Amino acid sequence: DQQVKQNSPSLSVQEGRISILNCDYTNSMFDYFLWYKKYPAEGPTFLISISSIKDKNEDGRFTVFLNKSAKHLSLHIVPSQPGDSAVYFCAASARRKTSYDKVIFGPGTSLSVIP
Amino acid sequence: EAGVVQSPRYKIIEKKQPVAFWCNPISGHNTLYWYLQNLGQGPELLIRYENEEAVDDSQLPKDRFSAERLKGVDSTLKIQPAELGDSAVYLCASSFWTGYGGDNEQFFGPGTRLTVL
Repeated sequence: DQQVKQNSPSLSVQEGRISILNCDYTNSMFDYFLWYKKYPAEGPTFLISISSIKDKNEDGRFTVFLNKSAKHLSLHIVPSQPGDSAVYFCAASARRKTSYDKVIFGPGTSLSVIP
Repeated sequence: EAGVVQSPRYKIIEKKQPVAFWCNPISGHNTLYWYLQNLGQGPELLIRYENEEAVDDSQLPKDRFSAERLKGVDSTLKIQPAELGDSAVYLCASSFWTGYGGDNEQFFGPGTRLTVL
C-alpha cells in the first residue's frame, strides 16, 4: 500500500519554463511534507518543506503548494534550469500524531530540463 | 562541515556471502537512519537509531540483516547471507532530533550500491 504516490515517473521541460511535479498521499495523519532532490550517484538532499497549517511555501525558484482536502501537493520550479535535472522525491510524515516522525517517500519523478 | 560518509560506495558479491556497510553521520547528529532504495523507488526505512538505541527496526529483515551503533556515532549494517533480491542502494542518513513536532531534516550520504550475483 503506497502512502505517497508520484504518478509521473518522468517529466521533460524546456529551460526557462515552469516545471510542475505532483504528489498524492493517502494517509490523512500526514501533517508535514518534504521534497528531496537527488542527482545520480549522490544521496537525496532536502529541497523544501511545508506544514499542513500552510497551503504554500516558497523558497527562491521553488514553491510547494498543499491541497489538504485533495491530499495533493505540487512542487513548482520557475524558471527551470538545466541544473534542476534530477530525481525529485515527495515525502510525508505525521509529526504530531505518532511517536516520531517517520518519513515516507514516494517513488520519485525524474525531471529533465532541456537547454 | 563534512557530510554523511558511507563506505564502500560499491560492492559486488556472490549470493550467500556476507556484506557490511559503514556509515559515519554528521558530527553532533544524534539520530541515524538506514534506508533501502530499490531501482525506481523511493528510500524505505530499515532502522532508526536515537543515539545508540534502535527505536524503529520494524522494517529490518532480522533473519539476515543486523545493525549496530555501539557508541552512538558511526554505524554498521550487515547482511548475512546475501540474496539476489538484496541488490539495491543502501542509504544512511542522520539528523539532529529536536523532539516531536520539530524540524528534523535528514541529511543523506551517497549510498552503497550492492550487487548480488
